[in-house]
Amino acid sequence: QITLKESGPTLVKPTQTLTLTCTFSGFSLSTSGVGVGWIRQPPGKALEWLALIYWDDDKRYSPSLKSRLTITKDTSKNQVVLTMTNMDPVDTATYYCAHISQLVFDYWGQGTLVTVSS
Amino acid sequence: DIQMTQSPSSVSASVGDRVTITCRASQGISSWLAWYQQKPGKAPKLLIYAASSLQSGVPSRFSGSGSGTDFTLTISSLQPEDFATYYCQQANSFPTFGQGTKVEIK
Repeated sequence: QITLKESGPTLVKPTQTLTLTCTFSGFSLSTSGVGVGWIRQPPGKALEWLALIYWDDDKRYSPSLKSRLTITKDTSKNQVVLTMTNMDPVDTATYYCAHISQLVFDYWGQGTLVTVSS
Repeated sequence: DIQMTQSPSSVSASVGDRVTITCRASQGISSWLAWYQQKPGKAPKLLIYAASSLQSGVPSRFSGSGSGTDFTLTISSLQPEDFATYYCQQANSFPTFGQGTKVEIK
């Protein structure tokens, strides 16, 4: 059974760096073909893909946010970490992590709401 | 970037109705398309992948079709639990989502 759960701060100040952790079970990020991605959703708006990382440490980023994002993995802890620099109120959103198979997100975490406000 | 455009943005329907949602890609994506259902306050749920393959556990009243640039999601007989927002997502290159279609009670 695959499960994922996001954790991190619920409130960050403008210009700060956000660090989110995705802790998962039911699969290993050392298995060929496996990946984990991050997606966000501002309140009342559509989904936006942010970044993904594969078992072989191949990393991909949304072109519009690439300069602000870093994704890493800790295979021994079954965790994937996303950092986003220079946070702004427009970055207020629910952030999801998800298991990815052939660029399709087949298992999702419950999401975590991050508010950017001074 | 490959842009995904869904229509309509919302649809009002009754239980038992047939509902069709369309998704158009700004360039050809073969069959690299997925559909998700999202209920308020919940994470999206994968319904369809590879344009027409039903994810395990998803009711057969959901179906997908299309290839290239034009795709459809059909709910053959709308059930009370199907009132939700639906998103398409292209999986040809880095993922992009449509803007969503809200299925509301008529």
